[in-house]
Amino acid sequence: EVQLVESGGGVVRPGGSLRLSCAASGFTFDDYGMTWVRQVPGKGLEWVSAINWDGGETGYADSLKGRFTISRDNAKKSLFLQMNSLRAEDTALYYCARLYHSSGWELEAFDLWGQGTMVTVSS
Amino acid sequence: EIVLTQSPGTLSLSPGERATLSCRASQSGFSKYIAWYQQKPGQAPRLLIYVASNRATGIPDRFSGSGSGTDFTLTITRLEPEDSAVYYCQQYGTSPNTFGQGTKLEIK
Repeated sequence: EVQLVESGGGVVRPGGSLRLSCAASGFTFDDYGMTWVRQVPGKGLEWVSAINWDGGETGYADSLKGRFTISRDNAKKSLFLQMNSLRAEDTALYYCARLYHSSGWELEAFDLWGQGTMVTVSS
Repeated sequence: EIVLTQSPGTLSLSPGERATLSCRASQSGFSKYIAWYQQKPGQAPRLLIYVASNRATGIPDRFSGSGSGTDFTLTITRLEPEDSAVYYCQQYGTSPNTFGQGTKLEIK
């Protein structure tokens, strides 16, 4: 089955760190760029970061630069998001998604989504 | 960054009717790199349309996209009860890619 499964979410104190993972299956992972999108429950979607097929190119939302780092391990078919210096406003459901028909990190829609992992930043 | 404004905020229609959802961008420059997603409660978004007017794999032809410049439209014909959802537009031609705030479609 073609799917993405996120993990690693949880409750963390402000200033803390968390590493999210996304396990891919059912498709050739290193043929695709990948991305993270977050959503505050009940609110809209916000793009977080993206990475090309081999990890050599990345992009980030301006508000997140320097705090979040995207990476991937193609041998393990996994995508990661290292989140540091977390703030209350980072509280959201984090989705990983696949770029549609693209090995790059940009200029493509997102055709396969996981179910998300919830991150709560609270003291 | 490009701001996408969707209208209306909520749309309430009956089965069999046609829905017209609008997405207006604050500036041009992203070519036709517009996508539309459907999100049902408790589910991840689902890609419907990419490059403004191309249906994604498995999407029925009741769903169509159109537009250019800064004004884009998602049209859903012959509405069915399962079309109840929030619909988001996204521009991915300019970084950072951005989403609209969503239109909630209710089927009476």
